[in-house]
Amino acid sequence: TQLLEQSPQFLSIQEGENLTVYCNSSSVFSSLQWYRQEPGEGPVLLVTVVTGGEVKKLKRLTFQFGDARKDSSLHITAAQPGDTGLYLCAGKYNAGNMLTFGGGTRLMVKP
Amino acid sequence: DAGITQSPRHKVTETGTPVTLRCHQTENHRYMYWYRQDPGHGLRLIHYSYGVKDTDKGEVSDGYSVSRSKTEDFLLTLESATSSQTSVYFCAISTGTGTQGYTFGSGTRLTVV
Repeated sequence: TQLLEQSPQFLSIQEGENLTVYCNSSSVFSSLQWYRQEPGEGPVLLVTVVTGGEVKKLKRLTFQFGDARKDSSLHITAAQPGDTGLYLCAGKYNAGNMLTFGGGTRLMVKP
Repeated sequence: DAGITQSPRHKVTETGTPVTLRCHQTENHRYMYWYRQDPGHGLRLIHYSYGVKDTDKGEVSDGYSVSRSKTEDFLLTLESATSSQTSVYFCAISTGTGTQGYTFGSGTRLTVV
């Protein structure tokens, strides 16, 4: 069973602060995705990264894929209360279609 | 138009009773998945389908069965519900191609008492 570890599990910050969430595995991903989930709803895809070293930006969110494709990070600049939610990373191994999910990082941004 | 709907959204059932959850899609996607989400465990795959009548087990399939008789519907059945199956269940769909992400339903909160 391939494990995908996320850290931290919980994060509570003030509006305007920056934060970084990490996603790590001992195995190489063929691709990795980040999702955000709000209470009472299913996860929603934010981004997919494929190439080692790839960086993608989505407004104040910056996603980075490690050079060895075993880890990824999500950085949020100037967090806002609307960023509150559960952030999940999910990786595909080899050429398969199955996603393995990390345990998630629960973010709370206080006004 | 949601594209994927789950029913019911909430259900309370008694231990030992059978329960069926339904996932319906209007996207004509080939792949459909059932996950459960529990605190401390994230999302864990129960079963998935890669076509009509084609299904396979995920990592936590014991006590669950699935059926897919039509492209648009994927049913999850708890043969005899137990308290350990109290959870939030999510259905997801994907095209299965390349780096496509999953589209999730809004979930079914199941409580087994």
